[in-house]
Amino acid sequence: GDSVTQMEGPVTLSEEAFLTINCTYTATGYPSLFWYVQYPGEGLQLLLKATKADDKGSNKGFEATYRKETTSFHLEKGSVQVSDSAVYFCALWRDSNYQLIWGAGTKLIIKP
Amino acid sequence: SQTIHQWPATLVQPVGSPLSLECTVEGTSNPNLYWYRQAAGRGLQLLFYSVGIGQISSEVPQNLSASRPQDRQFILSSKKLLLSDSGFYLCAWSGGQGGGQPQHFGDGTRLSIL
Repeated sequence: GDSVTQMEGPVTLSEEAFLTINCTYTATGYPSLFWYVQYPGEGLQLLLKATKADDKGSNKGFEATYRKETTSFHLEKGSVQVSDSAVYFCALWRDSNYQLIWGAGTKLIIKP
Repeated sequence: SQTIHQWPATLVQPVGSPLSLECTVEGTSNPNLYWYRQAAGRGLQLLFYSVGIGQISSEVPQNLSASRPQDRQFILSSKKLLLSDSGFYLCAWSGGQGGGQPQHFGDGTRLSIL
């Protein structure tokens, strides 16, 4: 069945470091892919999305490219800030029953 | 613009008591609606989803139930809470057209069972 695998956290970086959070998926066809962010004590917010192969989603300095050949949607940011500390979820959309398939989440900790 | 409201924000309930969490969406019609639970430090578990009034699909058998009495209202209920029901409950909506519409989340309800 469809699934999403994220790198385990926590990921701890210093401020201004380069960030990569890996996400790979298993699915039939060409699902839409999403990254969500959850700040402490809050609900989830859509960070970015891509709906077809080679699409690049971007928002708030974060980017992710939909790679069909490697079934990946890795999240990147060139220079992280303390305010980026949060849990990041990768997800794919399954049309057959209107559901998002979620990764387990990756906790990101940015130290000043 | 569309908004989603979820309440209460926090709730402390004794074991065996009933539960009712409410979620409403404004600014859209015929949304898909979802209830998730997130245990501490864990990912999201889909509990229920609904594609229309009175249409509820359950993903996990448990002592929780959901209802959709109106187009933009989604209620999560229990007759008798268990300790294992503690967690962070999130309501979400998405456009009903499919095709990978993003889900938009409420602020969540933190439920503690004593």
